[in-house]
This record gives sequence, structure tokens and C-alpha cells, in this order.
Amino acid sequence: GEDVEQSLFLSVREGDSSVINCTYTDSSSTYLYWYKQEPGAGLQLLTYIFSNMDMKQDQRLTVLLNKKDKHLSLRIADTQTGDSAIYFCAADFGDYKLSFGAGTTVTVRA
Amino acid sequence: DAGVIQSPRHEVTEMGQEVTLRCKPISGHNSLFWYRQTMMRGLELLIYFNNNVPIDDSGMPEDRFSAKMPNASFSTLKIQPSEPRDSAVYFCASSRDSNQPQHFGDGTRLSIL
Repeated sequence: GEDVEQSLFLSVREGDSSVINCTYTDSSSTYLYWYKQEPGAGLQLLTYIFSNMDMKQDQRLTVLLNKKDKHLSLRIADTQTGDSAIYFCAADFGDYKLSFGAGTTVTVRA
Repeated sequence: DAGVIQSPRHEVTEMGQEVTLRCKPISGHNSLFWYRQTMMRGLELLIYFNNNVPIDDSGMPEDRFSAKMPNASFSTLKIQPSEPRDSAVYFCASSRDSNQPQHFGDGTRLSIL
């Protein structure tokens, strides 16, 4: 199956940019996803990128994909306290199967 | 638009009891997934339905677990008998098609005493 790895923790000051990194192993992945999970809630689909794209921007979110290095990143501009959550990277490795990373806990400090 | 709806949100019961978790997928989505989330193992896919038919149940841990999808707008995950190690958050997700983005419900937090 697919292995997806991401760092476990990130602390960032309010107003700064956050960058969350992820690596995956299966180069045949078609879509790569970022989900956000707030305490007691489900996984909210933040954004996703098709594997033939290098970058996707959506308001404060920028996704960068380096297919050669199998590296995915999520940049959150002007990080706010409401951005504190766990962020999951996920890659598809089959028709329907998603492999999730362990999640990065982002803490925004004043 | 309504998202994926799960019930109950919380369930606390004693071991040996039957537990039934419910899910209503997003209207028009033909793929439905049940996941389990624990600290130790992260998110695990339990079972996948496409057009109400179970396609992959290889993630179902034991025969104590069963899932049904009697129609396009309803699915259940049943544990009988329940055990303390089944304690976890169970998520239902749906997607428009099997290779489209999956949308998750808020989950059922299950505690087996």
C-alpha cells in the first residue's frame, strides 16, 4: 500500500505563514488531499490537487506538489487561531483507497 | 447542502452489548466508506460500498463487525458483541464516485466499558 508521512507538530505565531509538509511513496497516485480536523469533529476536505499539477491556490491556502520528490506541502497564509487543528495529508493508491498520514497538529500562538 | 450525517454522535455502552452506528451519505453520492480512527492506528478503512453493494470489506476487523447499505441514503455499521478494544471514533464518508474526493461526517465517538 501507500505510505504517507508527515511531521507531527507545528507551532506558528498568529499572522505568520504555516507550512505543513508531507511525503508519499506511490508515484501513481492520482489525487493528493489535505483534510482538517478540529477537536470533536470529522475530517473537513480543505483542498486537493491532481497529480499533473504543480500548484493550486485557494484563498489563503497554497498546495505545492513536487512529483519527482513525492513531496506535498500546504501553506496557510496569515495563520489565524481558527486554523489550530490537525491537518491530514492523504494520497489515493487505487480506485477508492486513500492512505492517510498520521496528521500534523498545528498550534497557533498569539 | 447537507453533509454526511452520522448518529449517534456519542455512544457509551457496556461490553457485550450490540452497537449500531448510522450514516446518511450526501445525496447523489454513490460511494460510501466506513473508517475507524484511533490514536494508535490512525484512520483505517473498514468497508467500502459502491451503489449500495459492499466492494471491499477487508478492513473489517472481525466477524463481530458487520455493515449494510439497504438503500442509497442509509448505511449501518453494527458491532455485536462489543468489546472495550472497539472504543474509537467511527467515521462515515461519501463521494460522488469511487475516485472522487471523500466527504466525512462528524463521526460517532464510541466507548465500550
